[in-house]
Amino acid sequence: AQTVTQSQPEMSVQEAETVTLSCTYDTSESDYYLFWYKQPPSRQMILVIRQEAYKQQNATENRFSVNFQKAAKSFSLKISDSQLGDAAMYFCAYRSADFNTDKLIFGTGTRLQVFP
Amino acid sequence: GAVVSQHPSWVICKSGTSVKIECRSLDFQATTMFWYRQFPKQSLMLMATSNEGSKATYEQGVEKDKFLINHASLTLSTLTVTSAHPEDSSFYICSARGPRAGQISYNEQFFGPGTRLTVL
Repeated sequence: AQTVTQSQPEMSVQEAETVTLSCTYDTSESDYYLFWYKQPPSRQMILVIRQEAYKQQNATENRFSVNFQKAAKSFSLKISDSQLGDAAMYFCAYRSADFNTDKLIFGTGTRLQVFP
Repeated sequence: GAVVSQHPSWVICKSGTSVKIECRSLDFQATTMFWYRQFPKQSLMLMATSNEGSKATYEQGVEKDKFLINHASLTLSTLTVTSAHPEDSSFYICSARGPRAGQISYNEQFFGPGTRLTVL
């Protein structure tokens, strides 16, 4: 069974600075997807970034980028130029590429605080 | 595009009553919907996977007779909490996935805003 681990329950960053959130996972599959979701106080889940395991290039979405290390099963999220609106819970998630078993498996989350 | 709604956004009920939560995909057809439960300060736990026109698949430990799921159309799935008790109080979130081919990204789930259930 696949597992996702987020070892940082809480992180904080100064506005405009950079912060990295860690995520590791365990799987025996070779093809899968990894996601970072943001859950602000409204509790609406928002997709931040997605990485396909077959792609070596790290995904980037504006200020958000990932460091995907497939051999190490590591998938960290870097937030550059942090903004007050980035404060939220961040969940790392795993999904099999098998369309028939594609449920999302979430980590326990990291609460990010952004200080002005 | 890819909007998912839930209704109601919050509900308070008495112990022993049943509550129905609706999940709708507003601008796409969802062959599969997922129901999650989230306790305060915890992660999302998948309760069941709902496929249109067939019975839902429940995760281990989830009582299917207590959490009834119906996915009668490509845009609507419902979760009914039967004989609710205070321990069922939680935040329930649904997500919807489009079909394999066409439309929007087939491998992405789109989340509803959630429903807060409080059982007195």
